[in-house]
Amino acid sequence: EAEVAQSPRYKITEKSQAVAFWCDPISGHATLYWYRQILGQGPELLVQFQDESVVDDSQLPKDRFSAERLKGVDSTLKIQPAELGDSAMYLCASSYGVLQPQHFGDGTRLSIL
Amino acid sequence: GDSVTQMEGPVTLSEEAFLTINCTYTATGYPSLFWYVQYPGEGLQLLLKATKADDKGSNKGFEATYRKETTSFHLEKGSVQVSDSAVYFCALRRAGNQFYFGTGTSLTVIP
Repeated sequence: EAEVAQSPRYKITEKSQAVAFWCDPISGHATLYWYRQILGQGPELLVQFQDESVVDDSQLPKDRFSAERLKGVDSTLKIQPAELGDSAMYLCASSYGVLQPQHFGDGTRLSIL
Repeated sequence: GDSVTQMEGPVTLSEEAFLTINCTYTATGYPSLFWYVQYPGEGLQLLLKATKADDKGSNKGFEATYRKETTSFHLEKGSVQVSDSAVYFCALRRAGNQFYFGTGTSLTVIP
């Protein structure tokens, strides 16, 4: 079982609705990452946090996606409004520091109808 | 830009066969290289890594050598088991801890 906790495991919703994903990293891990993995492809980084600060969100579609890590521990990724093309697996990962290995959660599989 | 190219799958092998999954990279500077494995319905797990040229990463019978001259990091295992069936991702990490993943190679091992 993964040590990085994510919820929900599965989410099905209609387009134009709002969705939110939650991630609780391994205790003590300062760096947290959100990835999107489209079926048949490798993960693509959406946003990277160092403690509560965003250090890289260059690939985050900011018109509809937002991410926060208010207390530097757990994090929430939101999509509003969801589009059909957002269907994917959303993975959270954490690491002790920027040069340490990343540990992944089991992901949230999002399906947009 | 930086990128990783993996051999396309799916790969199907019989148990105890030899495995090679090719991975080549394009990067400026000297990235660290990784192999991750993803079992069905789960997130990625780090399999092995190498941080500089000629380093060999190894874990659970899998090996990969960082070859700077050929910009490669091929994954090998001498004798695969059914439990090795999964998707394998090659990845590089450049400065700033930015990761670039390949598209993944699906491996199925049949008894």
